[in-house]
Amino acid sequence: NAGVTQTPKFQVLKTGQSMTLQCAQDMNHEYMSWYRQDPGMGLRLIHYSVGAGITDQGEVPNGYNVSRSTTEDFPLRLLSAAPSQTSVYFCASRNRGVEKLFFGSGTQLSVL
Amino acid sequence: ELKVEQNPLFLSMQEGKNYTIYCNYSTTSDRLYWYRQDPGKSLESLFVLLSNGAVKQEGRLMASLDTKARLSTLHITAAVHDLSATYFCAVEGGGADGLTFGKGTHLIIQP
Repeated sequence: NAGVTQTPKFQVLKTGQSMTLQCAQDMNHEYMSWYRQDPGMGLRLIHYSVGAGITDQGEVPNGYNVSRSTTEDFPLRLLSAAPSQTSVYFCASRNRGVEKLFFGSGTQLSVL
Repeated sequence: ELKVEQNPLFLSMQEGKNYTIYCNYSTTSDRLYWYRQDPGKSLESLFVLLSNGAVKQEGRLMASLDTKARLSTLHITAAVHDLSATYFCAVEGGGADGLTFGKGTHLIIQP
């Protein structure tokens, strides 16, 4: 079972570059979300989606865009990377009404 | 704004000892989660607590929830080295359909 798959696992960007972090799940989950994890900060919600075509902002959405064109995929876009976006990014999914949140393996992003 | 506070943030303990991690949250919520994270790894779900008075146990870990006090505890009994990890509590709510996490408790269990 693949579960929640994130790519890439590691990425180094220069300030101003753009990129997309990919997230796919094969569990037919309605709910998908992106978190970032910084040392001493726990995890903070960036964006989330409760179904295809529906997205909303979390706690720290600035500098990130998302879209949800299919149930399976929820990509996170950095339009112009900044050093403050250096972090570990986790994608997570679950079904509404089912409590357990499944996390991907994470993407470690460094912006120089 | 929903705030989730864990304490302690760092805990070093000896094998065989008991200890408790505390998780306080600021607004009403009936769902509280505990996760474990090993260094460089993803998060593993430990417990989901859904109602006041809920208690769940798995091996040497036991979690409880008091929604009136807005407090959850994660109790470790007779700690073993394999339980060394960072433990997060997370609460549903805060205006977004997602979880608000505590900062985590970095637990080191020494022989």
